[in-house]
Amino acid sequence: DTAVSQTPKYLVTQMGNDKSIKCEQNLGHDTMYWYKQDSKKFLKIMFSYNNKELIINETVPNRFSPKSPDKAHLNLHINSLELGDSAVYFCASSQVSRGIYNEQFFGPGTRLTVL
Amino acid sequence: DAKTTQPNSMESNEEEPVHLPCNHSTISGTDYIHWYRQLPSQGPEYVIHGLTSNVNNRMASLAIAEDRKSSTLILHRATLRDAAVYYCILGVPGTYKYIFGTGTRLKVLA
Repeated sequence: DTAVSQTPKYLVTQMGNDKSIKCEQNLGHDTMYWYKQDSKKFLKIMFSYNNKELIINETVPNRFSPKSPDKAHLNLHINSLELGDSAVYFCASSQVSRGIYNEQFFGPGTRLTVL
Repeated sequence: DAKTTQPNSMESNEEEPVHLPCNHSTISGTDYIHWYRQLPSQGPEYVIHGLTSNVNNRMASLAIAEDRKSSTLILHRATLRDAAVYYCILGVPGTYKYIFGTGTRLKVLA
């Protein structure tokens, strides 16, 4: 059973297109995240949703729009794709409980290439 | 956000212990120290975490300096499967954000 899954695994598209990446977790967690890992392998958080509510938005361009239809899903839609959007995007989830440590579980990543 | 400093890369021979250092001189009293690793072409995975005391689990040990300004991840017997980028991260449980640094790329030699 895959705990955190992402689709697609690879995405190649032209500049200016709109694309979506989907993420699902079957761990029953209440918090989900999107991270971006650029060509220099630097991993940076983009968004965090807790119980379908946006908690963190790390000054990501508004071309990126996350959507959480329910606690188990967090999708990422990207409008007007640019060359600089090429990266690997990771979804993650965790159960955030005050005072209790819960690790983040990461998906396998989606490699986005913008031509 | 408190930052961490790690060596860019380290090498180890298979079956030998590995000590991966991390400096975090601006750590606050409530920050936990977390370690994650990223195997090639995979997402990061949790390794271990701690606050003040040394910690052991099935994967590794975490040694935390008395002043908490540095820590060391210890892999007791490195295997080829341990070749990965290891990230030392500071964060408060119950918050929603981890700041990943550049990590240490561990190479294990057969």
